[in-house]
Amino acid sequence: QKEVEQNSGPLSVPEGAIASLNCTYSDRGSQSFFWYRQYSGKSPELIMFIYSNGDKEDGRFTAQLNKASQYVSLLIRDSQPSDSATYLCAVSDSGYALNFGKGTSLLVTP
Amino acid sequence: NAGVTQTPKFQVLKTGQSMTLQCAQDMNHNSMYWYRQDPGMGLRLIYYSASEGTTDKGEVPNGYNVSRLNKREFSLRLESAAPSQTSVYFCASRSGQGASYEQYFGPGTRLTVT
Repeated sequence: QKEVEQNSGPLSVPEGAIASLNCTYSDRGSQSFFWYRQYSGKSPELIMFIYSNGDKEDGRFTAQLNKASQYVSLLIRDSQPSDSATYLCAVSDSGYALNFGKGTSLLVTP
Repeated sequence: NAGVTQTPKFQVLKTGQSMTLQCAQDMNHNSMYWYRQDPGMGLRLIYYSASEGTTDKGEVPNGYNVSRLNKREFSLRLESAAPSQTSVYFCASRSGQGASYEQYFGPGTRLTVT
């Protein structure tokens, strides 16, 4: 069973702070890692992906990958109330399907 | 470019009724997927189609059938709906396999089985 674990939250951060979302995975053969954001009642939307160890930055978002520790994280800088959503971590091996975690609920308070 | 579209958006069925959820994508993607999402359970893969003409079971296939009608369309059928199939169903597509390919979701179908 390939597992992807996330803390369900809610993670509450004040506006302007850094939100840190974490994800661990069990399959060492995993090759690509995705972060999706899902607003209540909406479909997941892709916000970042990372394939190599280290950091990848895109605007206010930074994805961090450590394959040795089987750990991937998402940092959101200068958090805004509009960032309040559920964040899904997804992991892929060389196959066709993504394995999703259950998501972390983020609440950014004004 | 509409991306991934799904019909219907909402549906209420009685136990034992059948229905087909439709999905289409206009991104020329090879792979298509059906997920269900339940509170506290995350996204669970029902079936997927790696390419036109092929389908494979995912994590929770029981009670469902699929058809990859052509490269654009992938339908999900409930032959005899049960209350346990009350869920939000998402279709998704992806251009390939492995590390380099992103997956995009449709808007979802909210299904209630009474």
